[in-house]
Amino acid sequence: EAGVTQFPSHSVIEKGQTVTLRCDPISGHDNLYWYRRVMGKEIKFLLHFVKESKQDESGMPNNRFLAERTGGTYSTLKVQPAELEDSGVYFCASSLRDTNEKLFFGSGTQLSVL
Amino acid sequence: GESVGLHLPTLSVQEGDNSIINCAYSNSASDYFIWYKQESGKGPQFIIDIRSNMDKRQGQRVTVLLNKTVKHLSLQIAATQPGDSAVYFCAERGGYQKVTFGTGTKLQVIP
Repeated sequence: EAGVTQFPSHSVIEKGQTVTLRCDPISGHDNLYWYRRVMGKEIKFLLHFVKESKQDESGMPNNRFLAERTGGTYSTLKVQPAELEDSGVYFCASSLRDTNEKLFFGSGTQLSVL
Repeated sequence: GESVGLHLPTLSVQEGDNSIINCAYSNSASDYFIWYKQESGKGPQFIIDIRSNMDKRQGQRVTVLLNKTVKHLSLQIAATQPGDSAVYFCAERGGYQKVTFGTGTKLQVIP
């Protein structure tokens, strides 16, 4: 069974540019989460999808971040325009609908904004 | 890759010894707790979980203890091995199924 996959694994962009991160959850997982780890510190919640709907987006830092999950399958997280403080590792996780405790994580996207 | 653990609490243990990693959680309404292990270049991996109606749960070489009175969680690893070196995160599930993570502890196993 394929796990959660994220693309790209690394991205280096300049301040002001746009970057789009992609996450493919495990097939059949309705729950999809985005998290971010900055400066090797804690893993911060960004948002949670149930299928294509945003269940909770309270962790999104500001309106430069836009997450979508068209059709309830893969998800994208766009940062536009990127700022220096957006650098970090962005993780995606997914879980089954009614047993959403076990989150399965992807390997993350390392974003560096210069 | 990311700079892992530069600002994290670090626990150094001798190979073969037992490790205890502690975590204080914040939400007294949290009903479910999880420990994750993150190795460099990888995403967090599930280790063990515990529900709030329990105070202890054992897995293979790992034990999680929950003290709701003081909102404290611990992970015990028996006979620590070099492969256990990683950053360990505790996580709690609060309202609306939201899972939030603690800061993390870096475990270094000395051969």
